[in-house]
This record gives sequence, C-alpha cells and structure tokens, in this order.
Amino acid sequence: GQQLNQSPQSMFIQEGEDVSMNCTSSSIFNTWLWYKQEPGEGPVLLIALYKAGELTSNGRLTAQFGITRKDSFLNISASIPSDVGIYFCAGQAQGGSEKLVFGKGTKLTVNP
Amino acid sequence: AAGVIQSPRHLIKEKRETATLKCYPIPRHDTVYWYQQGPGQDPQFLISFYEKMQSDKGSIPDRFSAQQFSDYHSELNMSSLELGDSALYFCASSLGRTAEAFFGQGTRLTVV
Repeated sequence: GQQLNQSPQSMFIQEGEDVSMNCTSSSIFNTWLWYKQEPGEGPVLLIALYKAGELTSNGRLTAQFGITRKDSFLNISASIPSDVGIYFCAGQAQGGSEKLVFGKGTKLTVNP
Repeated sequence: AAGVIQSPRHLIKEKRETATLKCYPIPRHDTVYWYQQGPGQDPQFLISFYEKMQSDKGSIPDRFSAQQFSDYHSELNMSSLELGDSALYFCASSLGRTAEAFFGQGTRLTVV
C-alpha cells in the first residue's frame, strides 16, 4: 500500500531556530497536508497543498508540494515554545479515494 | 468557528462489551472519516462516508460498523471489544470528497 516516509523522527531545537521536516513516497499523491498534534488532542490542519510545485505559507510555516508529486517539506521559522508537538504529513493518493495516508510524525521539542 | 464534535471524550469498557462513538461534523460538511490512532502511532484510516453512503473502507475490523445519518452525523459501533482496540478514535469531516479534513478532539477508548 501507499506509505509516507517522514523524517526526522524527532527534533530537539533551541527557541528561535528554524526547523525543516519532509515526507517522501514511492507513490504519486494528489494532495499533501501538514497537521500538528498535541498530546490527547486531534490533529490540527496547518497547510494544504494541491498542485505540484506549490509553495504555501501560513505565518511562520512554509510548505511545498514537490514537483514529482512524491514529496513535500514543512519549514518552521523562528521557533517558539508553543511549536512543540508532533507534526504529521498526510497525503491523498491518486485513484479517487479521499482517505488520507499519514507519515509516522516528527516530534518537535523546543527548548526556551 | 464550529469544529468537529466527538462524544464521549473518554470511554472505558470491558472486554467483549460494545461501544458507540458519535461524531458531529462541521456544519455543511458532507463527508465524514473515522481514524484509529494507537499510542505513539500515526492515525490509521478506518472508514469514510460521503452523502450518507459509505465511500471508502480501510483497516476496519468486521466487529466494527459505522453509518452516517440524514443529519450527517456519524456513529462508529464497536462490538466484542478486545484489549487491542484501546486507542484514540478520531472523526474528521470535509466539504465534498476533498483531502482538507478537519479532525475532532477524539474519543479515548480504554478496554480493560
């Protein structure tokens, strides 16, 4: 089945640093999304990407849909303590299904 | 803004019992998804409904069933519960069969 390989698995950074994480797949995806999840809560949609090559920002977050449609990255600039959480990439594959396939997540820790 | 509402937030059941989880989508959203998330895992797709019809099915056990009602709310029925069913269960909704799914806060099911 479709799998998303997300890296890194975890990151420990200092407040103010920039962060980058990415997802790759052997399959083509029509849509890429990035979610943030905090303990005991549901994933919160951060950014949705619909076109190959698309670069979209949401405040300090920037995400890109890879040209090959098989990858995406998320950057967080000038991290702050409230950025702590698990970031998931998710994709909607070709073929008409609306289900999302998730990456394994990147756990972000920000030291003040 | 209104979000996806799930109830109950927490549920404790014994083995072999049944459980019913409820989901109220964002107003005007016509597509509902159910996901299961084990500890430290990514969300796994169970089943989805579009306009009250089942539209896709993932790794949902035969002991589970779900439906979407005329008011678009959905219920996930789980029977013959097993210890391994303990997990967070998320409902998500979207407008149409798009990937831009918004998640509820989840139901934490504990089977003892």
